[in-house]
Amino acid sequence: KNQVEQSPQSLIILEGKNCTLQCNYTVSPFSNLRWYKQDTGRGPVSLTIMTFSENTKSNGRYTATLDADTKQSSLHITASQLSDSASYICVVSATRNTGNQFYFGTGTSLTVIP
Amino acid sequence: DAGITQSPRHKVTETGTPVTLRCHQTENHRYMYWYRQDPGHGLRLIHYSYGVKDTDKGEVSDGYSVSRSKTEDFLLTLESATSSQTSVYFCAINPAGTSGREQFFGPGTRLTVL
Repeated sequence: KNQVEQSPQSLIILEGKNCTLQCNYTVSPFSNLRWYKQDTGRGPVSLTIMTFSENTKSNGRYTATLDADTKQSSLHITASQLSDSASYICVVSATRNTGNQFYFGTGTSLTVIP
Repeated sequence: DAGITQSPRHKVTETGTPVTLRCHQTENHRYMYWYRQDPGHGLRLIHYSYGVKDTDKGEVSDGYSVSRSKTEDFLLTLESATSSQTSVYFCAINPAGTSGREQFFGPGTRLTVL
């Protein structure tokens, strides 16, 4: 069964600290993996996207890693800011005859406190 | 939001009434999607469209219908709203079509069915 699981479900950290969010998937055949940030009351916005051959991708203070062998990805946030408070969603795409199909994780809710 | 607007942004309605949500895009993308987002679930695909008058079902299509008479508009209709359809609905586009690696999301519509 094609699934995307994220952990932890929620996380509270102090401003300025680092944190790492996890994403495990069983989607096949793998096409790409994306991390989205979703602010409260807004639509998801893409942070990074990685294909099979990419194992690290950075976007400012956000760094995503991908281990295609173990089917795991992580999103590392450095020097967190209050504005990082959001839900972070892992999305894995599978290649189908009809085109890419997207599988969504349930997200990690991150709260950054002063 | 990649030129995507949704209307209304909030709606409260009663069980049994029909409801239509509108997604409008300004960039003539061929592929458009409707998702619902509920606590404890990842985004789930309701219906998608791959062109004017070309639509197909997603994983949670029961109770929903869609129409696309113009490239820029994708309508989602709840023929007879039920409380289980209380959710946040997101429209998305895939600029590169079925081979596209990324989706862009609208701001969402919060629907409450009493």
